[in-house]
Amino acid sequence: ETGVTQTPRHLVMGMTNKKSLKCEQHLGHNAMYWYKQSAKKPLELMFVYNFKEQTENNSVPSRFSPECPNSSHLFLHLHTLQPEDSALYLCASSPEREVGTGELFFGEGSRLTVL
Amino acid sequence: GQNIDQPTEMTATEGAIVQINCTYQTSGFNGLFWYQQHAGEAPTFLSYNVLDGLEEKGRFSSFLSRSKGYSYLLLKELQMKDSASYLCAVTNSNYQLIWGAGTKLIIKP
Repeated sequence: ETGVTQTPRHLVMGMTNKKSLKCEQHLGHNAMYWYKQSAKKPLELMFVYNFKEQTENNSVPSRFSPECPNSSHLFLHLHTLQPEDSALYLCASSPEREVGTGELFFGEGSRLTVL
Repeated sequence: GQNIDQPTEMTATEGAIVQINCTYQTSGFNGLFWYQQHAGEAPTFLSYNVLDGLEEKGRFSSFLSRSKGYSYLLLKELQMKDSASYLCAVTNSNYQLIWGAGTKLIIKP
């Protein structure tokens, strides 16, 4: 138990569906992140939120839309995805925007399959 | 470009010692992390090195040589539960975290 909870753990969707991934952290952290993890590839940082404000968007396609209503919750809205978007999506949090200097606390991920 | 190199997979025997290497080429250096990730679980923090030398934490140790762009994670007295992927990540001069693809460690009885 890392204090970061992601739902759903598994999701299968068609290319025309719209779905959302949810992340909740119970650690009192102010920064939250979305990462994409594909097999045998490095973690890819997608979005960073610090104090509910988006501070980083690493050239992610617009079919991925993040939302951070408060410091404890983070969503990733998905629409018209492609099969190559199939991956494990990890949410993480840290005390503040210190992704390079501090420990990240990860959720267990949402395994997404796009048919 | 920036990259982190680590072996894709390693196999070791229960009770033995294994060393997982990580070499990096990044624009500047502000620290190196090791994370452990069991299959289907969240990555969890193992260690952080910013100065040269060896940091020991129980059965796990992490070494850093900044001049060589090199680190290793040393696991002693291996247990079956140590079967996992080990991720190396480096913070560059812009405080971006650059990740390796991970090393899958298989422990055999």
